[in-house]
Amino acid sequence: DQQVKQNSPSLSVQEGRISILNCDYTNSMFDYFLWYKKYPAEGPTFLISISSIKDKNEDGRFTVFLNKSAKHLSLHIVPSQPGDSAVYFCATFRLHEDYGGSQGNLIFGKGTKLSVKP
Amino acid sequence: DADVTQTPRNRITKTGKRIMLECSQTKGHDRMYWYRQDPGLGLRLIYYSFDVKDINKGEISDGYSVSRQAQAKFSLSLESAIPNQTALYFCATSGRGLGYTFGSGTRLTVV
Repeated sequence: DQQVKQNSPSLSVQEGRISILNCDYTNSMFDYFLWYKKYPAEGPTFLISISSIKDKNEDGRFTVFLNKSAKHLSLHIVPSQPGDSAVYFCATFRLHEDYGGSQGNLIFGKGTKLSVKP
Repeated sequence: DADVTQTPRNRITKTGKRIMLECSQTKGHDRMYWYRQDPGLGLRLIYYSFDVKDINKGEISDGYSVSRQAQAKFSLSLESAIPNQTALYFCATSGRGLGYTFGSGTRLTVV
C-alpha cells in the first residue's frame, strides 16, 4: 500500500502564477514531511521541510502547508519561474523506534512534473 | 568534486550477469541509502545503512545485495540481473538532519 500519494503526475502553470503541488499520506505517525526537486540527469535535491507539529513553513517563494486532520501536504510556489520546471517529490520521514528515535528514512511519493511556461 | 559520486553513470548489461554499482561520499555522514526510480513509481528504497556495521533492507530488496566497505562507500550488487531491474538508481547520504544528499544516479539497462 502506498503510504505517500501524489495523485497528479503533471502540472502546467504560467510564469508568475502560483503553483500548488499536493500530497496525501496514510500514516499519522510520520514525524516530518519534505519536498525534493529533481531535474533531468540529476539527483533529487532537498527543497523544504515541515515538522508534524507545525502547519506551515515558508522559505522564500516556497511554502509548505500541513493539514494533519486531512493527512494532506501541499507545496506553494509563488511566483512560479521557468527554472522551477522539474519533478517534485513529496517525502515523509519517520524516526525508527529501534534506534531510540534517532534514526529514520525517507518514503517518497511518485512525483509531480511541474512545467512553468514563459 | 561532487558530495556523492556514483559509478558508472550508465551501464548496459545482459540478463544473468552480476553487476555492482558503486557509491562514495565526501560529506562524512554515517548514513547511506540506495533508491531506485522507475517511471510513474517514484523513488523506492532498496537498502540503507546507518553506520558501517549496520545494513537494513528497504521495501524492494529482493534481487539486490549491498556492502558497506567504509563510512564513505556503499555499493549495490545485482547478483543475477533481470530486465525488470532496468531503472535509474540513486545513492544518498544523510547526517543527523533530515536532508539527504543524492548522487547523480546510475542508469542501468538489463537486456
